[in-house]
Parts: sequence; structure tokens; C-alpha cells
Amino acid sequence: DAKTTQPPSMDCAEGRAANLPCNHSTISGNEYVYWYRQIHSQGPQYIIHGLKNNETNEMASLIITEDRKSSTLILPHATLRDTAVYYCIVRVASTGGFKTIFGAGTRLFVKA
Amino acid sequence: KAGVTQTPRYLIKTRGQQVTLSCSPISGHRSVSWYQQTPGQGLQFLFEYFSETQRNKGNFPGRFSGRQFSNSRSEMNVSTLELGDSALYLCASSSPGLAGHEQYFGPGTRLTVT
Repeated sequence: DAKTTQPPSMDCAEGRAANLPCNHSTISGNEYVYWYRQIHSQGPQYIIHGLKNNETNEMASLIITEDRKSSTLILPHATLRDTAVYYCIVRVASTGGFKTIFGAGTRLFVKA
Repeated sequence: KAGVTQTPRYLIKTRGQQVTLSCSPISGHRSVSWYQQTPGQGLQFLFEYFSETQRNKGNFPGRFSGRQFSNSRSEMNVSTLELGDSALYLCASSSPGLAGHEQYFGPGTRLTVT
């Protein structure tokens, strides 16, 4: 599975959009980009995933560059409850099993 | 649907003892993965089970083992506990499909080894 690079921490004002970047320059054609977040001492929470098209759900939007070497997770209106560590992972999605490699993630601080 | 449940939530053990942790996946999910999370090493993959078979394994010593039952529930066992095994142990379940599959994590079991 390809490796990802994320900034260690970011700040965002409450109510503003939080844009979290992720670099995955060695991604393969059959690897998906997944985003999870972990609020202190809880289990990670799935946010969104995509292959090459931009994706949106009720939590966030995922923008993947055309060359797929990087992506951005967008939380459109960040709230204090969005303060968490955000993990970007790339992984082959198949029926043959997988092992997920988590990096250090980005610690997002949403400030009032 | 009920989420992933893990028992016990907290555990204190002494060096040299062994411990068994339990994970019940979301109903219908057949894949269960285990992770260890420590402040120094972050989230590290232990192993993944699917239909009672271990499909993938991380880089952990043989003291760490697991199994999965026919109802998809899974247990992991750590023998001869060391102080460094103190961690949050997380399990995640998923339902593998063709278009990508997300993992749903449980709340974790916090193990303290003294």
C-alpha cells in the first residue's frame, strides 16, 4: 500500500472551511484514498473515500487531483466537535483482504 | 445497526500474564482487523481475519495472536505481557465489496500492563 504525507497540525476557525491536504505520490491505479478521523481516545471514524472522482457526503468533500498524487479533505463548516486527528490512507480495495497502514495524521484544532 | 463492540473496555494486567480481548463486528460484516495504538508508534496494524482465516498480518511478535469464529466475532490474545504492550487495542469490521470498503472501528480496549 502506498504511503501518505500529511502536515502534523492545522488550525481552523469555527464556521470556516477546513482544508486538509494529503500527498500520496506513489499511489497505484487500483488504490483508493480513504479518510478517517479520531477524536481523543475514541476509535477512528470513517469519513469518506474515493478513487479518482471527487466525492461528497454529509460529512465532507474529497478532492483528488487529476494525477491522483494528492488529495484534499474539505470540512465545509468546521465546528469545535471537528477537532480531531485526521488520517489519510491509500489502500487497495479488493475482496482479497488488506492491511491498513496509518500514518501520523493531521491534528486539526478548530478554534472559536 | 449496532456498531462494533469490544470487551472489556479497560484492563489492568501484570507483566508475564496473558490477556484475551474480544470484538463483535457489525452484523453482516465478515472482515475483522485489529490495531494497536500507542503514543509513540501511533496506529499499527496487527492482523485481519475473514471467514475464520487470517488473511494479513502486521509486524508483531508471535506473542500476539488472534482468531475468528464462525459468527465473525474475533478474539486477540497477547501472551507473556510486557510493559510495552500497554496500549489501546482497536478492532474494525468491514464488508468487503468491489467498489471499496470502509472500516468501522470499535471504541477500543485500553490495556495497562504493570
